[in-house]
Amino acid sequence: GQQLNQSPQSMFIQEGEDVSMNCTSSSIFNTWLWYKQDPGEGPVLLIALYKAGELTSNGRLTAQFGITRKDSFLNISASIPSDVGIYFCAGQLRGTYKYIFGTGTRLKVLA
Amino acid sequence: DTAVSQTPKYLVTQMGNDKSIKCEQNLGHDTMYWYKQDSKKFLKIMFSYNNKELIINETVPNRFSPKSPDKAHLNLHINSLELGDSAVYFCASSPHGSSGSRTGSYNEQFFGPGTRLTVL
Repeated sequence: GQQLNQSPQSMFIQEGEDVSMNCTSSSIFNTWLWYKQDPGEGPVLLIALYKAGELTSNGRLTAQFGITRKDSFLNISASIPSDVGIYFCAGQLRGTYKYIFGTGTRLKVLA
Repeated sequence: DTAVSQTPKYLVTQMGNDKSIKCEQNLGHDTMYWYKQDSKKFLKIMFSYNNKELIINETVPNRFSPKSPDKAHLNLHINSLELGDSAVYFCASSPHGSSGSRTGSYNEQFFGPGTRLTVL
């Protein structure tokens, strides 16, 4: 099945540091979604991006829709312990209802 | 609460049995999905229904049969369960209308809490 290339796969950071992760693909998407998943829970939608070049923030989170429509990144500023979890990107293939998910970034924050 | 809900949360069963997972959304969305998340946390789409019509059917064994009695419900029935079916199954919904080409919040997708299936 299709998957988006998401990096890094995992990262340990100190509390207060900024975090960046990104997703790339050879396919073109018309929507990018970023999710966080906590253990034993379903993915929770953090940010949705609809237009190429769009930059959107949600609190300490900022995400951008790449100009080529093939990539997206998510930044978390001033990380806190509760940011721990798995972050997924998802791209909606243009003209379809289908979402392709990234392989996930496992974030661990050291207090 | 408005949400996507699934039952049961946990399902433990023997190989060869038949089981069903139910999903309901009260968000007024037109499109619902089933995903499988494996032990490596990879999320793969299995099926999607739009207004009770099957629109996505990935390469899934025909032991898996989705059913949508109305646009607020999407159930997943699995026959002759195998060890490899053990995973977490997520239901999701999206506002999507009759076309996949609409932009904006129509394309946001919301997940249920998951059903952890263990086949012994």
